Amino acid sequence: NAGVMQNPRHLVRRRGQEARLRCSPMKGHSHVYWYRQLPEEGLKFMVYLQKENIIDESGMPKERFSAEFPKEGPSILRIQQVVRGDSAAYFCASTGTSGGTYNEQFFGPGTRLTVL
Amino acid sequence: GENVEQHPSTLSVQEGDSAVIKCTYSDSASNYFPWYKQELGKRPQLIIDIRSNVGEKKDQRIAVTLNKTAKHFSLHITETQPEDSAVYFCAVKNAGGTSYGKLTFGQGTILTVHP
Repeated sequence: NAGVMQNPRHLVRRRGQEARLRCSPMKGHSHVYWYRQLPEEGLKFMVYLQKENIIDESGMPKERFSAEFPKEGPSILRIQQVVRGDSAAYFCASTGTSGGTYNEQFFGPGTRLTVL
Repeated sequence: GENVEQHPSTLSVQEGDSAVIKCTYSDSASNYFPWYKQELGKRPQLIIDIRSNVGEKKDQRIAVTLNKTAKHFSLHITETQPEDSAVYFCAVKNAGGTSYGKLTFGQGTILTVHP
């Protein structure tokens, strides 16, 4: 059973470009979370999605950031007009719908975004 | 919103010693408390978790204790080994009555185990 997949693993963008990060949850999982980790800091929640729905986007900046989890295909975190402060590791995690009421979040390997 | 404080930020121990990391949280409704280990450049991996209806949980050399009244929980690693060197994060989930919800993470503890 493949784990959570993220691509690309490394992404370099110039200021003003768009960054598109992809996350494929574990097989059978329908809940996806995105977190951002700045260098030498903890993980900060950005957005929680289920298939075709954004459940909680309280941690996502209102400007330039958007996320989706379509019926088919991976979840995508999109950052428009990137700035140097967007440089970070972006992790997604997924949970399933079985196994009790407190479901472990399984993390992907992350995408390390560098903005030049 | 939830606020999680983690201490210490760095911890250095000799191989074989014990290591203790503590976290406090602010929302008394929080109900799930996982601990993650993150090696350099790698993904966070769950090492142990505890639910709000349990006071203590142990898995081999790792244990977690929870004090709901005081709103703090701790990670205990006994007989530390150099392979335990990593960054450890506590996290808290307040699912608000549902099974799902975001994790709020502590700031992390850099654990170094010297041979």
